[in-house]
Amino acid sequence: QKEVEQNSGPLSVPEGAIASLNCTYSDRGSQSFFWYRQYSGKSPELIMSIYSNGDKEDGRFTAQLNKASQYVSLLIRDSQPSDSATYLCAVNPRAAGNKLTFGGGTRVLVKP
Amino acid sequence: EPEVTQTPSHQVTQMGQEVILRCVPISNHLYFYWYRQILGQKVEFLVSFYNNEISEKSEIFDDQFSVERPDGSNFTLKIRSTKLEDSAMYFCASSYREGTEAFFGQGTRLTVV
Repeated sequence: QKEVEQNSGPLSVPEGAIASLNCTYSDRGSQSFFWYRQYSGKSPELIMSIYSNGDKEDGRFTAQLNKASQYVSLLIRDSQPSDSATYLCAVNPRAAGNKLTFGGGTRVLVKP
Repeated sequence: EPEVTQTPSHQVTQMGQEVILRCVPISNHLYFYWYRQILGQKVEFLVSFYNNEISEKSEIFDDQFSVERPDGSNFTLKIRSTKLEDSAMYFCASSYREGTEAFFGQGTRLTVV
């Protein structure tokens, strides 16, 4: 079974600090990787997508992908209380097809 | 900004009843999905739909489930005979191309009593 694993947290981060979230996946053939933010009782909101090895930056967010290690991470710089949410890692296991496999999410708490 | 919209936001139904969850995907998107999330659990894939047919479905998507695109804008999920364990948040999502970003609607909370 194709798995996506995340530390459930909570990850407690002081306001203004960097939050670092990790995700590992089991299907070596995975091609597309996504980070979603989910507030309690709400739907997943897309933050970042990454398709090739290396870093991708978008505002305060940086996604990092290492396919050899089957590892994807998300950095949140200058964390704000509004960043407090559950962050979901999602993987598209194949080049063709669109099924996303989600991790269980990491809960982030940003403390003022 | 374009968004996926879902109706209703909440649905309470009796066990054994049929429910239809409705979604309007983003207008220029070609791929449509249903996911569900049981309270406290992972988001789970149910089905993907492209070119008016199912392109992939999970083990969860058994004979009690069906999807339809009845017109050019709506995408529906029908659950024929609901069970208690069908209680969950159901999310519709859409994407423009294969393997690219999927955008989620706000969800329908289904409660089966």
